[in-house]
Amino acid sequence: SAVISQKPSRDICQRGTSLTIQCQVDSQVTMMFWYRQQPGQSLTLIATANQGSEATYESGFVIDKFPISRPNLTFSTLTVSNMSPEDSSIYLCSVEVAGLGTEAFFGQGTRLTVV
Amino acid sequence: KQEVTQIPAALSVPEGENLVLNCSFTDSAIYNLQWFRQDPGKGLTSLLLIQSSQREQTSGRLNASLDKSSGRSTLYIAASQPGDSATYLCAVNSRGGTYKYIFGTGTRLKVLA
Repeated sequence: SAVISQKPSRDICQRGTSLTIQCQVDSQVTMMFWYRQQPGQSLTLIATANQGSEATYESGFVIDKFPISRPNLTFSTLTVSNMSPEDSSIYLCSVEVAGLGTEAFFGQGTRLTVV
Repeated sequence: KQEVTQIPAALSVPEGENLVLNCSFTDSAIYNLQWFRQDPGKGLTSLLLIQSSQREQTSGRLNASLDKSSGRSTLYIAASQPGDSATYLCAVNSRGGTYKYIFGTGTRLKVLA
């Protein structure tokens, strides 16, 4: 298993500003991901955070809006840039651990409200 | 393109009932399927992981089955308790293309005391 610490747990931000969310894992993992969960919706993958290289973004998500860093195998950050009220969501960090199967684990999420 | 659907969207039951949550997916070529629990405003807790070669997995009062050929999984909760109240999500990891989980829309469960 993996224990994931995500910070901050929640924040209220002004439109036009940026917020950086941190994700720390208690062990080295190959795969790290960032998801968004809009109010009342299920999870949508934003990007795969690649260690030492640029993240791989899903359709509809761009690096200028959601820059991601992953300097090592245990840490990643997601920045939500130039925020608008439409960015109000829960943002979740996830890792996958290879074992008998490949199991996904999630952080507790960051609840972002943009006013 | 893989699509995951969960039925029902919401469910309210009295305490003690056995219940079944359903998950269907359109592409049977999957690596595995995972069931999660999400409490309001919180992250996801992994409940059960079923690999593509398995038919079911059990943990305590929870049992999940997988029928790849029909594109279905069920989560069975025995003797439900108020503490089981949460949203239950299933997610499928597909073979081919980008390795990633596709999530269903979830079932909001409320167990009444």
